[in-house]
Amino acid sequence: EVKLVESGGDVVQPGGSLRLSCATSGFAFDDLSMHWVRQAPGKGLEWVSLISSDGSRTYYGDSVKGRFTISRDNSKNSLYLQMDSLRPEDTALYYCVKDDYGSVLFDYWGQGTLVTVSS
Amino acid sequence: DFVMTQTPLSLSVTPGQPASISCKSSQSLLHRDGKTYFYWYLQKPGQSPQLLIYEVFRRFSGVPDRFSGSGSGTDFTLKISRVEAEDVGTYYCMQGTDFPHTFGQGTKLEIK
Repeated sequence: EVKLVESGGDVVQPGGSLRLSCATSGFAFDDLSMHWVRQAPGKGLEWVSLISSDGSRTYYGDSVKGRFTISRDNSKNSLYLQMDSLRPEDTALYYCVKDDYGSVLFDYWGQGTLVTVSS
Repeated sequence: DFVMTQTPLSLSVTPGQPASISCKSSQSLLHRDGKTYFYWYLQKPGQSPQLLIYEVFRRFSGVPDRFSGSGSGTDFTLKISRVEAEDVGTYYCMQGTDFPHTFGQGTKLEIK
């Protein structure tokens, strides 16, 4: 059974930092790309970042580029998102999402971890 | 960036009746590798999104065959042949052809 469990969400002040984690199991983690997708309260979905299976390639959405860093530890089957210079508009539920082989994107989603940026 | 525009933003459907959602991309989603990386997701109330359709028309594992996807280039459609109560939620289209991947605004489906 595929499991994606996010953690690390919290209330943080503007300008602060937070590190999200995603523990995974039930699939060949080191074979597949992973993503973070977020959803502001009552709003739609926004893709945040991708990391390739070996971590050599990363991509970011325009709104987080230069502030967020995606990484992974294949020995721990874990995905991370380092979030710096946080802004109120970063307030959202952050989902850890996996790809599958071929062109199947976002086939499994975690339950999300809530980040609130507020003074 | 590729802008994805969904219509309608909401629809109310009687059980057993069909439903259709349109998604238009600001640029062609045909990748140079010949594939079209276009997807449909459903987010049921209080749940994480789930994959329905990938590569325009391919149903993901376990998705009922009342869901079908079609389209090409910039225009895509999700059709539900006979809406059931369990289909309520918000439907999102998404393009994976280029970075950043982008979603449509979402279409909220309600049951009459």
